[in-house]
Amino acid sequence: EAGVAQSPRYKIIEKRQSVAFWCNPISGHATLYWYQQILGQGPKLLIQFQNNGVVDDSQLPKDRFSAERLKGVDSTLKIQPAKLEDSAVYLCASSRVGQGAGEQYFGPGTRLTVT
Amino acid sequence: QQQVKQSPQSLIVQKGGISIINCAYENTAFDYFPWYQQFPGKGPALLIAIRPDVSEKKEGRFTISFNKSAKQFSLHIMDSQPGDSATYFCAASINTGNQFYFGTGTSLTVIP
Repeated sequence: EAGVAQSPRYKIIEKRQSVAFWCNPISGHATLYWYQQILGQGPKLLIQFQNNGVVDDSQLPKDRFSAERLKGVDSTLKIQPAKLEDSAVYLCASSRVGQGAGEQYFGPGTRLTVT
Repeated sequence: QQQVKQSPQSLIVQKGGISIINCAYENTAFDYFPWYQQFPGKGPALLIAIRPDVSEKKEGRFTISFNKSAKQFSLHIMDSQPGDSATYFCAASINTGNQFYFGTGTSLTVIP
């Protein structure tokens, strides 16, 4: 079973620029999560999708962050404009619904540096 | 507000020793408590998980101890090996399929 794929792995941008991250979840996983992991901290949820609908985006800074999951498979997370404090690793995770739900499988993450 | 508090921040253990990492929570609605292991440059990977209907779960060298009344749970790594050197995160969620609230992580170093 292929794992969660993310790209790019690394990105360096200047503040006020825009950036987009891509995630391909494990096949058949209906739930997809985007987490932000700041250095030295645990991951923090930004947004959760089930299929192509948003379940929870209460911690997403909507003035600059947006995410979509068209067709209920791949997802993109966008930041526009970026701030210095957005420097972090952005992790995508996916999980099943129903039996086996609970375990979240994480991708390798995208390390964003905003200068 | 940190939903799950984790300690210690870092831990150094001799090879063959026992590593113990502790977590505490306040929200009694949490009903799923996983531990994740993260190596540098990699995403977190599930190590072991427990639900509050049991007090202990063991998988190989890894054991979760759960104290529902104290709202605490801990990870014990027996016979720690240098390959166990990684960052460990505890987490909690309400109902499966919902977001995980992660602790701040423990950096474990196992000295040969």
